[in-house]
Amino acid sequence: DIQMTQSPSSVSASVGDRVTVTCRASQGISSYLAWYQHKPGKAPKLLIYAASSLQSGVPSRFSGSGSGTDFTLTISSLQPEDFATYFCQQANSFPLTFGGGTKVEI
Amino acid sequence: EVQLVESGGGLVKPGGSLRLSCAASGFTFSTYGMNWVRQAPGKGLEWVSFISSDSSYKYYADSVKGRFTISRDNAKNSLYLQMNSLRAEDTAVYYCTTRSGPGEILDYWGQGTLVTVSS
Repeated sequence: DIQMTQSPSSVSASVGDRVTVTCRASQGISSYLAWYQHKPGKAPKLLIYAASSLQSGVPSRFSGSGSGTDFTLTISSLQPEDFATYFCQQANSFPLTFGGGTKVEI
Repeated sequence: EVQLVESGGGLVKPGGSLRLSCAASGFTFSTYGMNWVRQAPGKGLEWVSFISSDSSYKYYADSVKGRFTISRDNAKNSLYLQMNSLRAEDTAVYYCTTRSGPGEILDYWGQGTLVTVSS
């Protein structure tokens, strides 16, 4: 199975801050990497797929980069509605695996 | 608008069974692969199972293999998860998701249904 290591597990930030989350795969997954946002009691939401493609309707302050084993999610200017938990997921092969999550909080 | 609505969760004793359902609308259900993903309290996300659009392919996490069965009814736009021999560690919120490419992208999710396994 492909292990996904995500860091940090939590980050304290303020509105307007630039936030970066990293994800590392235990083996190369090309660009088969997705990022999700999850708020308590809500359905997780796809933000980024194929490592850097923005899902339709997602604000452009979200961006993704990387390939192979190392990936990054960046929020360029944090907005109040962005306080949530973010997960990476390898989309290369079954079993699908997720990073442990990054909680972005004030 | 894509909608996925899970149901069937609840409290069940260890060793018991439960059947989850996911009602889909707003898209052509019969052309999409579907997944179940779960999140235990205070834990991260765990993929559980996948079924292809025509049910010809089914995959399971090792943690549920032999105990859970995924199925679908394209005529009813519904996805199911039959869970047998339930254990305390199966306690989680269970989400159904669509599957899209490239790769295995989980592009739409339901709001989840809580399964609690406890005596």
